[in-house]
Amino acid sequence: TQLLEQSPQFLSIQEGENLTVYCNSSSVFSSLQWYRQEPGEGPVLLVTVVTGGEVKKLKRLTFQFGDARKDSSLHITAAQPGDTGLYLCAGNTGNQFYFGTGTSLTVIP
Amino acid sequence: DTAVSQTPKYLVTQMGNDKSIKCEQNLGHDTMYWYKQDSKKFLKIMFSYNNKELIINETVPNRFSPKSPDKAHLNLHINSLELGDSAVYFCASRLLAAGELFFGEGSRLTVL
Repeated sequence: TQLLEQSPQFLSIQEGENLTVYCNSSSVFSSLQWYRQEPGEGPVLLVTVVTGGEVKKLKRLTFQFGDARKDSSLHITAAQPGDTGLYLCAGNTGNQFYFGTGTSLTVIP
Repeated sequence: DTAVSQTPKYLVTQMGNDKSIKCEQNLGHDTMYWYKQDSKKFLKIMFSYNNKELIINETVPNRFSPKSPDKAHLNLHINSLELGDSAVYFCASRLLAAGELFFGEGSRLTVL
């Protein structure tokens, strides 16, 4: 089983602050995805990154794939209460998706 | 219309019982998965089927038996339930050629 470690595990910040979530592994992945999961629901895809060094922006969210395709980061600018949720990275190798340990984000109004 | 639907959403049962969870997707996907999410929110893959064929079978006790009657359905049967089986079970689907996983809402299993 491939292991993806996310840090921090829990994050509680004030509305308007910036934050970064990290996803690290010793394995190389063909692609990496970020999902957000809200209570009582399944994870929903935010982004897929494929190329080493790739940076993708989705409004206030910036995703980066490491050059060696082993790690990734998610940066949120000016966090809003609607960003609250569980953020999961997932590394893809062929048919398999290995999920990270998760980061629970709470944005306080 | 719900893309990936699971039933039941909640299941409370006694140790030793046998139970099933059903999953259906109406997205036309060819690959379906079962994931287990534990109390620490870690999502672990259990099984994957592509066009009704088992392609991934992680280290899961034999008490867990998946069945895919067709591409749109993947069911999970669990025999002799144990306390440690308590978790949220997620069904997901995708097109093998594409990347995105679509998840159901989850089935929360509680074993007493």
